[in-house]
Amino acid sequence: EPEVTQTPSHQVTQMGQEVILRCVPISNHLYFYWYRQILGQKVEFLVSFYNNEISEKSEIFDDQFSVERPDGSNFTLKIRSTKLEDSAMYFCASRRRGNLNTEAFFGQGTRLTVV
Amino acid sequence: QQQVKQSPQSLIVQKGGISIINCAYENTAFDYFPWYQQFPGKGPALLIAIRPDVSEKKEGRFTISFNKSAKQFSLHIMDSQPGDSATYFCAASNVNRDDKIIFGKGTRLHILP
Repeated sequence: EPEVTQTPSHQVTQMGQEVILRCVPISNHLYFYWYRQILGQKVEFLVSFYNNEISEKSEIFDDQFSVERPDGSNFTLKIRSTKLEDSAMYFCASRRRGNLNTEAFFGQGTRLTVV
Repeated sequence: QQQVKQSPQSLIVQKGGISIINCAYENTAFDYFPWYQQFPGKGPALLIAIRPDVSEKKEGRFTISFNKSAKQFSLHIMDSQPGDSATYFCAASNVNRDDKIIFGKGTRLHILP
C-alpha cells in the first residue's frame, strides 16, 4: 500500500539553527500539506502546496518557514532559525485531487526538538 | 468559523461498551467530515469519513452520525476493545475547494480491559 514517508523520524537542533524536514508524498498525489502537533495538542495546519506553489498558509507559517518541491518526489519544510516553541511533531500529508479523492494520507511524522 | 469543536477531551470506557465522541462545526461550506485515529508516536490515520448528504455511515464497529441542521457529527465505537485505545480527531474540510483539513482538539480514549 502506498504511503507518505518522512525523514528523519527525530531531529534535535540548537535554537537558531536551520532545519529541513523531508517528505516523500504518494506518487500520483497533487496536493501536499504540512501540519504540526505540539505534544498532547491538536493537529494544526501550516501550509498547503499545489502546482508548485503555496495555495494556503496559516498564521503559524511565518517568514521563518518555507516549503519546496525540489524534484518530482520530495516535499520539504525548512525552518530558517528555530525557536524553542517550534518543538513539535511535524506531519506531511498528501491528497490526490478533487472531491472524489478526498482522503489525505499522513506520514509518520518528524519529532523536532529544539534545545 | 473555521473551528471544529470536539468533546470530551478524554474518555474511559469498559471493554465491550460504546464509545461516543462528539463534534460541532460552524462553517456550512464544509462538505467532508473525516475521523482520524492516532496512536502514540504515529501520524493520524483515516478511520471513517462522511459527506453531508447522508445522516449515518457505518464501517464495522465504527459509525458516524451526522446532523446537518445542528451542524454536529459524532463517532460511535461499538463493542469497544483495548486496541481501540488511542486519540481520535474529528475533522472537516471543503473538498470542492480542495481545502485543508481542520482538526478538532482530539479525544483521548482509553478502553479498560
